[in-house]
Amino acid sequence: TQLLEQSPQFLSIQEGENLTVYCNSSSVFSSLQWYRQEPGEGPVLLVTVVTGGEVKKLKRLTFQFGDARKDSSLHITAAQPGDTGLYLCAGDSSGSARQLTFGSGTQLTVLP
Amino acid sequence: SAVISQKPSRDICQRGTSLTIQCQVDSQVTMMFWYRQQPGQSLTLIATANQGSEATYESGFVIDKFPISRPNLTFSTLTVSNMSPEDSSIYLCSADRRGADTQYFGPGTRLTVL
Repeated sequence: TQLLEQSPQFLSIQEGENLTVYCNSSSVFSSLQWYRQEPGEGPVLLVTVVTGGEVKKLKRLTFQFGDARKDSSLHITAAQPGDTGLYLCAGDSSGSARQLTFGSGTQLTVLP
Repeated sequence: SAVISQKPSRDICQRGTSLTIQCQVDSQVTMMFWYRQQPGQSLTLIATANQGSEATYESGFVIDKFPISRPNLTFSTLTVSNMSPEDSSIYLCSADRRGADTQYFGPGTRLTVL
């Protein structure tokens, strides 16, 4: 069974602070996806990282895929209240997003 | 992208009854999936809904408890049968499209079993 551990599980910070969320596994994935979910909604894809060592930037969000394709991180710079939500990483072992293993989730709260 | 709707958005049900959740996609997709999620926690895959054939269930989930239908490429249903309070959860439908390499999720159905 493939497991994805996310840390921290909960994070509450002040607006303007930086934060990093980690996603770790002992398994190798063909790609790793990051989703954000808000209350009452389904998860929405933020980014997919495919290549070991890959770094992708989405405005204030920076995503990195580990060299061995077993781990990933999400860094948010100057967090804003609109960043509040549940962040989920998901490892894809099928190569076509048809077999996603979801991480345990990180609940982020950004206080104004 | 694909727009996915689910009905009902929430329901409160009595123990021993069954609830059928509907999932509608606005365009043809290749695969459809059903997940369960406790609020604020991770997603657990229940099954893959296959068009025209029996769904493929993950370990710990069985067809008698969670019968699934997929009569065409854009519609699927999940029934939660003989419900108990332990079935209280959010049920999410997702779908992917060939070449998209991602899953699109519906808004979820929040189920409470008394």
